[in-house]
Amino acid sequence: QVQLVESGGGVVQPGRSLRLSCAASGFSFSNYGMHWVRQAPGKGLEWVAVIWYDGSNKYYADSVKGRFTISRDNSKNTLYLQMNGLRAEDTAVYYCASQDGYNSAWGALDYWGQGTLVTVSS
Amino acid sequence: EIVLTQSPGTLSLSPGERATLSCRASQSVSSYLAWYQQKPGQAPRLLIFGASNWATGIPDRFSGSGSGTDFTLTISRLEPEDFAVYYCQYYGDSPPTFGPGTKVDL
Repeated sequence: QVQLVESGGGVVQPGRSLRLSCAASGFSFSNYGMHWVRQAPGKGLEWVAVIWYDGSNKYYADSVKGRFTISRDNSKNTLYLQMNGLRAEDTAVYYCASQDGYNSAWGALDYWGQGTLVTVSS
Repeated sequence: EIVLTQSPGTLSLSPGERATLSCRASQSVSSYLAWYQQKPGQAPRLLIFGASNWATGIPDRFSGSGSGTDFTLTISRLEPEDFAVYYCQYYGDSPPTFGPGTKVDL
């Protein structure tokens, strides 16, 4: 069965960096787009970034553009989110999610990880 | 950027009742509209994609309709496990945006 397992969250000071990982299994990782979505405490869902199945395109929310970088290693079935210049408002649970649609540009998010909490605080 | 508006913010109902949730887009999204359910402490779960198609394993008491700018998620008869927050999402282009959510509670 499909599994997405995030790791790398924790407490970090403002301005510092953190890298999240998402280990995927149970499906052909290299054929599906992957997303990061976050949820601040008590708030709704906020889309963060997407990387196409082959890594050829990446898109970001304006709130993280220039600070966050999404990447993937299809040989390791792993998705990453490098977060630099962290701010208090980046505090959230970060979910990775796979996108429906084989080799598709865009799709609904059909599988989600359990999330990893990032807390930005001094 | 496409903005999604969901109404009502909270829907107070009882088990067995019918729930009707609305999602409106600031411009046409064709049928690139999905619905998700989220329970406390859990990740979201995909219910509906393409405005009206069931995701895998979703019971048929959930149904989606609409196209263009106006969409509806209907739960025909609420089960105890259906009390949760529901989000709509546009996913046809960047940025894929979420609505603010509708909470269905007792």
